[in-house]
Parts: sequence; C-alpha cells; structure tokens
Amino acid sequence: DTGVSQNPRHKITKRGQNVTFRCDPISEHNRLYWYRQTLGQGPEFLTYFQNEAQLEKSRLLSDRFSAERPKGSFSTLEIQRTEQGDSAMYLCASSFPRQNTGELFFGEGSRLTVL
Amino acid sequence: SQKIEQNSEALNIQEGKTATLTCNYTNYSPAYLQWYRQDPGRGPVFLLLIRENEKEKRKERLKVTFDTTLKQSLFHITASQPADSATYLCALDSRSDYKLSFGAGTTVTVRA
Repeated sequence: DTGVSQNPRHKITKRGQNVTFRCDPISEHNRLYWYRQTLGQGPEFLTYFQNEAQLEKSRLLSDRFSAERPKGSFSTLEIQRTEQGDSAMYLCASSFPRQNTGELFFGEGSRLTVL
Repeated sequence: SQKIEQNSEALNIQEGKTATLTCNYTNYSPAYLQWYRQDPGRGPVFLLLIRENEKEKRKERLKVTFDTTLKQSLFHITASQPADSATYLCALDSRSDYKLSFGAGTTVTVRA
C-alpha cells in the first residue's frame, strides 16, 4: 500500500493555458474524490467517482474543469483556459466504502499557480 | 445555508497543556463527524471519527465529543507536544453519500 499519489506536486502556468493533474488512488479503493483548497480554507468538494462513474460534480466546478477515471483506476483533473482564481491546492482522496465510515485517504496534493 | 465553523483564532499553547478545538455546524444532520490533521503543504490525514449516537471517542492523547443537540464537536489534545503543531480540520458527511464537507480548520502551535 503506497497511499494516494498525485502528480505533479507543483505546477506553474500562465493564464489561458491548460493543465492536467493525475491521481493514483489506493488500489482497492473504488471511490475517488477531488477537492480544492485555498489558503486558510478547508478542502472544498469538486467531484467524485465510484469506479469509473462520475457520480457528482459540485456547482462550483465550471465547464473549464473536467475529470475522468477511465477503467476505475487513476483519475485526471483537467483545467482548461486557466485563470488566476484557479490557483489552489488540488487534493485527491480515495476511500473504501465497505468500511462504512467514509474516512478519506488524501494524497499530498498538486499545487497550481496561475500567473 | 449549511455552515461548519471552527475556532476562528489560532491556538497557541504551552507544551503539556490541553488544546481544545471547537467545531460548530448548522443545517447538517451528519451521521458522523471526522477530524483530520494537516501539516503545511501536505494533504489532510485522518485522525478520528465519531458517530451521531456516540458521545465521546478517544485515541491515545486525542479525545472527541459530539453533541448533536448543540450541533457541536470538541476535539482535545491532552499532554500536548510541539509535534502536535498543525492545522486541525473537522468534516461532516452529507448523509446522502460519503462526500465530506470541511471546516476552515484551526491552527495549533505548541510551544516547548
């Protein structure tokens, strides 16, 4: 068990560029979540998957954001035409719902800076 | 609207003392409440979970209470150590799925 892995850890981009983040969850976990966290705030829910199905997207997620989880394993979060307001830490988490507790295992996050 | 509020001020305490953090919520009916620890630049790490029918839960030097009437949870770190310095987040489920909503966190600094 190597934990939840996220890449890249840091990304600096210019406004208008597209960026993609990858998340590899804990292998037996079938639920995968994306959260966004800005300085001084708690993680904010963006979207989650059960296996390959995307079950919910936050209303905060604009059309520029898209997430996929092909084959129910790793997931990608793409942000198109980045804006300075997209600068944040993007956190991925996974869980194993048979535990029936909803405890989330987070990765170390991908920090995005939009110039 | 739904709201989760944690201590607005950072907590600075002397080593060996007990740190007490609060988490108040409105317009939630959580089945359980969770506490996480987050170090700077790192992802949150799960600490404790307490269910709606539980009053208190302990794990080593940590204690959590949950009062669904007051809509409040208290998180205690006893015999605090400098290594306990971090931000502590409370999180509630939405009952409909395992999506968690987080408070803004309370930063604790333990002085040696």
